[in-house]
Amino acid sequence: DAGVIQSPRHEVTEMGQEVTLRCKPISGHDYLFWYRQTMMRGLELLIYFNNNVPIDDSGMPEDRFSAKMPNASFSTLKIQPSEPRDSAVYFCASSSSSGSSYNEQFFGPGTRLTVL
Amino acid sequence: GQQVMQIPQYQHVQEGEDFTTYCNSSTTLSNIQWYKQRPGGHPVFLIQLVKSGEVKKQKRLTFQFGEAKKNSSLHITATQTTDVGTYFCAGKGTGGYQKVTFGTGTKLQVIP
Repeated sequence: DAGVIQSPRHEVTEMGQEVTLRCKPISGHDYLFWYRQTMMRGLELLIYFNNNVPIDDSGMPEDRFSAKMPNASFSTLKIQPSEPRDSAVYFCASSSSSGSSYNEQFFGPGTRLTVL
Repeated sequence: GQQVMQIPQYQHVQEGEDFTTYCNSSTTLSNIQWYKQRPGGHPVFLIQLVKSGEVKKQKRLTFQFGEAKKNSSLHITATQTTDVGTYFCAGKGTGGYQKVTFGTGTKLQVIP
């Protein structure tokens, strides 16, 4: 398996523009997580899905952020409009509730977002 | 909400010295996971502890889970330059499935 795939790896955009981050979880995993990492706030959970259904979005900063998971192999995180304070590394992670009892999370390589 | 703090925030050690990071949760945990993130990389799972007082070893790494299941530690014996990175604990509360709260992380720098 290729692991969790994220695109783009780097994104530079101007304030006010719409940004869409994409994630393909590991095949067979039924949980998908979106995190944001910054020096100031560390690693924050934004939202997570179980079987494509959003379970907890309490970490989503504000209405400018939205996430979807239309099927088991694809998820998007959208920021509209983007602001400079959204600059961060965004990670997608997936895990499985079956098989290993560890339920460890497998992280993608991240998308480094810079909003000018 | 649940908070997970780690100390120290940063640690510089001479190669060959030992290193310990401590993790403390504001609430009782059902289990705790540890992850390592290399500079410029992504978090990678190391281990999970479930039982009160549990101790697990991975080569030079020793992980402990406190008796009250509110704290944990990671100890590295005789650090090597390959140990450089940020170590995160991630605690799962007693309610809700799969959601873990990541600690603030300890950034380890090993001086050759």
